[in-house]
Amino acid sequence: AQSVTQPDIHITVSEGASLELRCNYSYGATPYLFWYVQSPGQGLQLLLKYFSGDTLVQGIKGFEAEFKRSQSSFNLRKPSVHWSDAAEYFCAVGAAGGGNKLTFGTGTQLKVEL
Amino acid sequence: GAVVSQHPSRVICKSGTSVKIECRSLDFQATTMFWYRQFPKQSLMLMATSNEGSKATYEQGVEKDKFLINHASLTLSTLTVTSAHPEDSSFYICSSRTGQETQYFGPGTRLLVL
Repeated sequence: AQSVTQPDIHITVSEGASLELRCNYSYGATPYLFWYVQSPGQGLQLLLKYFSGDTLVQGIKGFEAEFKRSQSSFNLRKPSVHWSDAAEYFCAVGAAGGGNKLTFGTGTQLKVEL
Repeated sequence: GAVVSQHPSRVICKSGTSVKIECRSLDFQATTMFWYRQFPKQSLMLMATSNEGSKATYEQGVEKDKFLINHASLTLSTLTVTSAHPEDSSFYICSSRTGQETQYFGPGTRLLVL
């Protein structure tokens, strides 16, 4: 069974500082990997996804993530955080070729200090 | 990008009544839609997978007679919470899957059962 671990429940960074949110997955085959962001009381917005190819993927809002198979990781990064980035971030893994269920991590709550 | 809407965004009902939540994919056809439930400060839990023209597939532990799902068209899926009780109060989120194996999420519906 597939699983996702987001080790950091809460992260606080200063505005303008760099950010890295960790995500580790467990899946037997080639995974599809996603990062979503959720603002309070809202649905999820897709930031970026990885299916295959270049292991460094670019997303919206200046985010990027790097797939590292050897470490089973898909960490999300942003070089300079803005106050509006404060939200809950979810990493998710899906079955390659199945287009089926996503398994979500428990989320990381990002707080941005001005 | 793909847009998914949900209606209503918020509903309050009395215990024992039924509530219907609609999920629409506005600018694409979705053969598969998913229904999730999210408790406060927690991740998303998949309830069921809804395929157009066929019966929904429910996750283990989800009562199919309580959470009725209908996927009548390629752009509309509905979730009906029957005989709602206070423990059904939650945030319900739907998603629609594109042909590119990506799920796009609706804004969610906050259900409060009194």
